[in-house]
Amino acid sequence: AQSVAQPEDQVNVAEGNPLTVKCTYSVSGNPYLFWYVQYPNRGLQFLLKYITGDNLVKGSYGFEAEFNKSQTSFHLKKPSALVSDSALYFCAVRQLKAAGNKLTFGGGTRVLVKP
Amino acid sequence: EPEVTQTPSHQVTQMGQEVILRCVPISNHLYFYWYRQILGQKVEFLVSFYNNEISEKSEIFDDQFSVERPDGSNFTLKIRSTKLEDSAMYFCASSGAGPEDGRWEQYFGPGTRLTVT
Repeated sequence: AQSVAQPEDQVNVAEGNPLTVKCTYSVSGNPYLFWYVQYPNRGLQFLLKYITGDNLVKGSYGFEAEFNKSQTSFHLKKPSALVSDSALYFCAVRQLKAAGNKLTFGGGTRVLVKP
Repeated sequence: EPEVTQTPSHQVTQMGQEVILRCVPISNHLYFYWYRQILGQKVEFLVSFYNNEISEKSEIFDDQFSVERPDGSNFTLKIRSTKLEDSAMYFCASSGAGPEDGRWEQYFGPGTRLTVT
């Protein structure tokens, strides 16, 4: 079975400050890891993914995430947050070599960036 | 930029009625999915569909649910006899296919909010 935990329901950060959204996962074998963002009344938008290779992956809108196998974590980061980054962020995992490409999502973290 | 679209955006139905939720995946994608999100809860996988058959389904996806790709563009989710607990936001998604299919990110539609009264 695969699972994802996002330990923070909400993260508050001042505009211009670094933003980190935490994610830990549990999966058999090696994972595929994804971050999505959801704005009000919109679907989930893909931000970035880790498949293999460099542990630091870069994605859309200046976001990046660091894969840490020993800590089974995949934290999302942005060096300088914008007010427009305020949204709901979801981490997701997929087990390698599993049929069907099922994604398992964390519970989501609401990010509030204050001016 | 290509998008996944879903109709309707909001569907209200009475318990016991059948509903069909419609999706138009991105045109060159070959994998299709349905997820749902009950208010305040996690996004949950329902089913994946590839090559005109179900690839995987969750325990939620019981005999009341079915999926179909009736033509080259639409992908539908049917709930035969809705229950109150089916009230949720239903998301359609699609992804590309090829070697190591799981590498492909899934693109989500805006969702259909289903309210069962």
